[in-house]
Amino acid sequence: EAGVAQSPRYKIIEKRQSVAFWCNPISGHATLYWYQQILGQGPKLLIQFQNNGVVDDSQLPKDRFSAERLKGVDSTLKIQPAKLEDSAVYLCASSLASGRAYEQYFGPGTRLTVT
Amino acid sequence: QQQVKQSPQSLIVQKGGISIINCAYENTAFDYFPWYQQFPGKGPALLIAIRPDVSEKKEGRFTISFNKSAKQFSLHIMDSQPGDSATYFCAATGEYALNFGKGTSLLVTP
Repeated sequence: EAGVAQSPRYKIIEKRQSVAFWCNPISGHATLYWYQQILGQGPKLLIQFQNNGVVDDSQLPKDRFSAERLKGVDSTLKIQPAKLEDSAVYLCASSLASGRAYEQYFGPGTRLTVT
Repeated sequence: QQQVKQSPQSLIVQKGGISIINCAYENTAFDYFPWYQQFPGKGPALLIAIRPDVSEKKEGRFTISFNKSAKQFSLHIMDSQPGDSATYFCAATGEYALNFGKGTSLLVTP
């Protein structure tokens, strides 16, 4: 079974530029998550989708971050404009459904460096 | 606000030794406590998980000990191997969001 795919793997941008990340979850997984992992810290949930609807986006900085999951499959996360503190690894994960009973499978992440 | 506190930040263990990582939480609504293992350049992968109705769960060389009254849980890696060298994260959740600790970087020396 193919895992969670993410691209690009690495991205370097200057502050105030915009950037987009793409995620393709495991086939059949209804729930998709975006996490931000700052160096030396654990992943922090940014947004959770159930199919193409948002379940939780309470920690998403909505003034600069946006995410969508059209057709309930692939998802994109965008940052516009980027700040230095956005430098982090952005992880996408998916699970069969929402809830603690369903294991989350993580992709390899996109490492973003903002200069 | 860090909902899950993890220690130590880093750990060096000799091959064959026992690695112990500790976590503490405050929110009594948490009822699922997984541990994740992360290798460089990879996403975290579920290692083992426990619910608060049991005090211990063992899977191979990995054991979770859970103390509900103290709101603490720990991961024990028995007979640690160099291949176990990775970053380990504890986490806790109620209904939805996983709340991760800051991670422990484990190095197992030959």
